[in-house]
Amino acid sequence: KAGVTQTPRYLIKTRGQQVTLSCSPISGHRSVSWYQQTPGQGLQFLFEYFSETQRNKGNFPGRFSGRQFSNSRSEMNVSTLELGDSALYLCASSLSQGSDEQFFGPGTRLTVL
Amino acid sequence: AQSVTQLGSHVSVSEGALVLLRCNYSSSVPPYLFWYVQYPNQGLQLLLKYTSAATLVKGINGFEAEFKKSETSFHLTKPSAHMSDAAEYFCAVSDPPQKVTFGIGTKLQVIP
Repeated sequence: KAGVTQTPRYLIKTRGQQVTLSCSPISGHRSVSWYQQTPGQGLQFLFEYFSETQRNKGNFPGRFSGRQFSNSRSEMNVSTLELGDSALYLCASSLSQGSDEQFFGPGTRLTVL
Repeated sequence: AQSVTQLGSHVSVSEGALVLLRCNYSSSVPPYLFWYVQYPNQGLQLLLKYTSAATLVKGINGFEAEFKKSETSFHLTKPSAHMSDAAEYFCAVSDPPQKVTFGIGTKLQVIP
């Protein structure tokens, strides 16, 4: 069974631009969560989607948004990029909302110049 | 609110020595607890999880962790460190169906 895939793996943008990251969960998994990982803050929860609905949300500004499609694939969007948005963005899938095990993708490394 | 504290952002051990990575949590209800490992340029991989069954949990790669409610701890151990264990380790807590909260991470260095 294929694992969680994230595209692209690396991305370079400039301040003010917007970016869209994609995540394909493991087949059969319906819940997708997004995390931001930085050296100083560690792993911070962005949001969780289940059945195309946002179920949980972390403490991030409205510039960070996401969606989930009927096939459980998910995208996250960051608008008006800031230097501080440079991070590794990780996607994790699980069978259902609140499932006790998450499977992580390799992440997308975003660099904002 | 749930939280996780990992004591020691960097831990160094000699190859063959005991590995002990500390994790303390706070949670208002009996939690689910996890340890994940992250190798460079990769995502997180689940090492083991505690979900209110046995308090001593065995995971992959020879790691295990013991849930101690009285100490609110879930420390990760391995009797003998291997060079391939060098990675970053994350402790996490979850009160389903709430979000998972991760610790800041502990980088393990294994000295030959």
